[in-house]
Amino acid sequence: GAVVSQHPSWVICKSGTSVKIECRSLDFQATTMFWYRQFPKQSLMLMATSNEGSKATYEQGVEKDKFLINHASLTLSTLTVTSAHPEDSSFYICSASPGLAGGPRETQYFGPGTRLLVL
Amino acid sequence: GQNIDQPTEMTATEGAIVQINCTYQTSGFNGLFWYQQHAGEAPTFLSYNVLDGLEEKGRFSSFLSRSKGYSYLLLKELQMKDSASYLCAARGDSGGYQKVTFGIGTKLQVIP
Repeated sequence: GAVVSQHPSWVICKSGTSVKIECRSLDFQATTMFWYRQFPKQSLMLMATSNEGSKATYEQGVEKDKFLINHASLTLSTLTVTSAHPEDSSFYICSASPGLAGGPRETQYFGPGTRLLVL
Repeated sequence: GQNIDQPTEMTATEGAIVQINCTYQTSGFNGLFWYQQHAGEAPTFLSYNVLDGLEEKGRFSSFLSRSKGYSYLLLKELQMKDSASYLCAARGDSGGYQKVTFGIGTKLQVIP
């Protein structure tokens, strides 16, 4: 149980294009979804937290107009990197939780990650 | 604010026991997580502690002392496949809401 999928697993794109990454909870309803970015040999950096049907809460320093998050249903959240540039190249990982952020059920189950390379 | 400290690297022998320590300074502390992350893969959940004491789950155990801001992950009967990074993460208050902050991870190498 608690399986989270992510698509695509990797993407290569030209600078200036937009890339959409999907995150799905396959066998549970995800009240909360998280988007992380991880650069080589660094820890996970939380980008934003989203609850189904409401606007995402972005971490300080993360541009909400550049990283668009849509949590349209209890099983799907999308991250769109708009006008991607080489510095956006990273490993993007989503996680899903059956509980509300801060609640007793906030164990996060991670997707397999998406490697983005912007040329 | 939140701060997580854990060693960056450890080496242990197959079949042995290893303890990975983590200290945290977290406002409004409300839970400590351990995750395993193999190179190039996403993290997988190992354990969750919110009360003081030891939680045992098979070969893995996790301990928490809230008063000391300290946790450890204990791995017994080490196997080669246990070579991975182990991430300590603490949940607490950040900007008026609860947030989980991850440490940089401890890269464990298991040798024959």
